[in-house]
Amino acid sequence: QQQVKQSPQSLIVQKGGISIINCAYENTAFDYFPWYQQFPGKGPALLIAIRPDVSEKKEGRFTISFNKSAKQFSLHIMDSQPGDSATYFCAASRRMDSSYKLIFGSGTRLLVRP
Amino acid sequence: DAGITQSPRHKVTETGTPVTLRCHQTENHRYMYWYRQDPGHGLRLIHYSYGVKDTDKGEVSDGYSVSRSKTEDFLLTLESATSSQTSVYFCATFGQVGEAFFGQGTRLTVV
Repeated sequence: QQQVKQSPQSLIVQKGGISIINCAYENTAFDYFPWYQQFPGKGPALLIAIRPDVSEKKEGRFTISFNKSAKQFSLHIMDSQPGDSATYFCAASRRMDSSYKLIFGSGTRLLVRP
Repeated sequence: DAGITQSPRHKVTETGTPVTLRCHQTENHRYMYWYRQDPGHGLRLIHYSYGVKDTDKGEVSDGYSVSRSKTEDFLLTLESATSSQTSVYFCATFGQVGEAFFGQGTRLTVV
C-alpha cells in the first residue's frame, strides 16, 4: 500500500523530443505528488509537484499529468534538451501526525542525445 | 540546497567501526530526515526527526541511530558499520507545504 512504481528505468530521447516517465501509487491517502531531478553527485532537487485536486500542472517545459481514478501520474518533458539528462524520481507524500510520509519511486535515468 | 550541509561528503571506513554523519540546516525547518540511496531502490527512509530530541524510525532503521540536540543539527550514527551500509546518504528537511529539500549527500564506503 506504500509503494510507488516508476517506469521506465531508463530512457533515451533525441534533442527536441518528448520524454515521458510514468508512476503509479496504491495508497489513496497520498495528497502531494512531487517530481525530483537529480544530477550525478548532487542531491535530488524538487522539479514540479501536483496535488490530486487538479489533473495537470505545467511549469515551462515540464508537465505533470495526474489521473486520480487510475492512481497514476506522469512527467512530460517537452523539447527535451541534453541538459535535462539526469535521474528523475517521482514520489508520493502525505502529512502524518508528527511527520511527512514521502515514498519515492525507483528512479528513471534520462539521456537526451544531441 | 535550501541551506542544508552534510559532512563529510565522502568517507571510507572499516567494518565494525562507528561512523557519524552530520546534517546542518539553516532554514529552521522542524522536520529533518535521513535517507539512503542505492541503485534500483530510489531513496529509502532511515530515521526522521520532528523536533529537538523527537525522532522515530523509518523503513530501513536497523543498524542506525540518530540524535537531534538542536533544531539545526541531525546526526546519523552507524554503531558498527557493515558492508551493506555502503551507500549514499542524504539528509532532507521539509518546508511549509511538505516539499522536501535535500543536501548534497555523503558517499560512505565500508570496507
